[in-house]
Amino acid sequence: GQNIDQPTEMTATEGAIVQINCTYQTSGFNGLFWYQQHAGEAPTFLSYNVLDGLEEKGRFSSFLSRSKGYSYLLLKELQMKDSASYLCAVMDSNYQLIWGAGTKLIIKP
Amino acid sequence: IAGITQAPTSQILAAGRRMTLRCTQDMRHNAMYWYRQDLGLGLRLIHYSNTAGTTGKGEVPDGYSVSRANTDDFPLTLASAVPSQTSVYFCASSDAGTGELFFGEGSRLTVL
Repeated sequence: GQNIDQPTEMTATEGAIVQINCTYQTSGFNGLFWYQQHAGEAPTFLSYNVLDGLEEKGRFSSFLSRSKGYSYLLLKELQMKDSASYLCAVMDSNYQLIWGAGTKLIIKP
Repeated sequence: IAGITQAPTSQILAAGRRMTLRCTQDMRHNAMYWYRQDLGLGLRLIHYSNTAGTTGKGEVPDGYSVSRANTDDFPLTLASAVPSQTSVYFCASSDAGTGELFFGEGSRLTVL
């Protein structure tokens, strides 16, 4: 079966760095996506990786290793507004997105 | 403002009733999707449409139907609601084949 695993919840301190991991097992691979979802709101697109390596976009970076079935989202200089759930999703061989359950990130002052 | 509009934003209905959740997008995206999101579970695909006139079943299609008469509209119908369909429903759209989805604000449905 297809499976996306990510931690249920993480806590970090304002101004610090946090890394949210995602491992996946899917039938085929056409890219890995990270979305941010604030409580009570819709998910919004953060990043896309299809090749191995690190993609940096401001305070957020996303890393992919296809051979290991592994990705992480790195958030630097954490701000209170970064408190949200972060969803990892993989596009499979049928171009359908398989979603992880999400990681709830709690930022403390 | 370009985007996706869902209606209603919240609804309580009795089991056995018929309910249609509406979704309209103005981005001219080919693909549209309906997901449900339940606590502790990832987004689960109910139905999708890659282009107007075609629809497909997702992971959890039972009890739901969709239609795609034109590019902009993608309504989701619950023919006879059951309590297990209590959830938050998100409509989304994208250019076909891409994973960058644009989501509506969600419809919170409670079936009693």
